[in-house]
Amino acid sequence: AQTVTQSQPEMSVQEAETVTLSCTYDTSENNYYLFWYKQPPSRQMILVIRQEAYKQQNATENRFSVNFQKAAKSFSLKISDSQLGDTAMYFCAFMKHGAEDGGSQGNLIFGKGTKLSVKP
Amino acid sequence: DSGVTQTPKHLITATGQRVTLRCSPRSGDLSVYWYQQSLDQGLQFLIQYYNGEERAKGNILERFSAQQFPDLHSELNLSSLELGDSALYFCASSPTLAGHHNTEAFFGQGTRLTVV
Repeated sequence: AQTVTQSQPEMSVQEAETVTLSCTYDTSENNYYLFWYKQPPSRQMILVIRQEAYKQQNATENRFSVNFQKAAKSFSLKISDSQLGDTAMYFCAFMKHGAEDGGSQGNLIFGKGTKLSVKP
Repeated sequence: DSGVTQTPKHLITATGQRVTLRCSPRSGDLSVYWYQQSLDQGLQFLIQYYNGEERAKGNILERFSAQQFPDLHSELNLSSLELGDSALYFCASSPTLAGHHNTEAFFGQGTRLTVV
C-alpha cells in the first residue's frame, strides 16, 4: 500500500520570502502521479501543481515549483515570493497511473497536511 | 469555482440517524470520488464511481454506501450515524478514470456533517 508523509505539521514564512514544504512517499509502483493541493480557510481543495513520475523535469507553476527525487521518494514544494493568500493547509498526494484496461483506481492518497502561515 | 456542486453545505443530525449527501460532477465528467476529511484521520478516500459503476473502494464503513445515477450525479448515504462520523465530506470528479488519461480531479466545496 502507498503512504504519504508530511513531516511538518505547521510552518510560517514572511511575506515575499521563500518556503519549502516537505513530502515523502512510499510505493512499489513505477508509474504514478504526485500532487500538491492547497486548502484555504474556505476549505476548497485547489490543485497547485502536478508531477508525472516518468518525467525527470521538475514541474513549475508560476511561483510554485517542486523538487522531485524519485529514488529518494521525495516530493517537496517550493513557494517563492510568498503572498498572504498562500496561507492555507497544503496536502501532498499520490495517485497510481492508470492501467490500459481502464481498471485503474484514480483515488488520491493524501498526507496529513502542512499548515502554512504567511506573515506580513 | 471547480464546477463540482455538493449539497447541503452543512448538516447537523443526531446519532443513529441517516443522511444523504449529494454531488453533481462537472459537466461531462464520468468519474466521481468521495473523500472524508476528519481531524484524526485526515483526508481519506471512500469510494469511486465511473459512469454509474463502482470502480474502487477505500476505507468506507459498511454503514456507508454510495451510488451514481444515469445523469452522473452521485449520492453518499451515511446511516446509523455516530459522533465519530462528524467530518467534512468531499466529492471530486474527473473526465475519465483519473490516471488513465492524466486528468486531475476537481473537488467540490464539501459537506460539513456534524453528528450530535
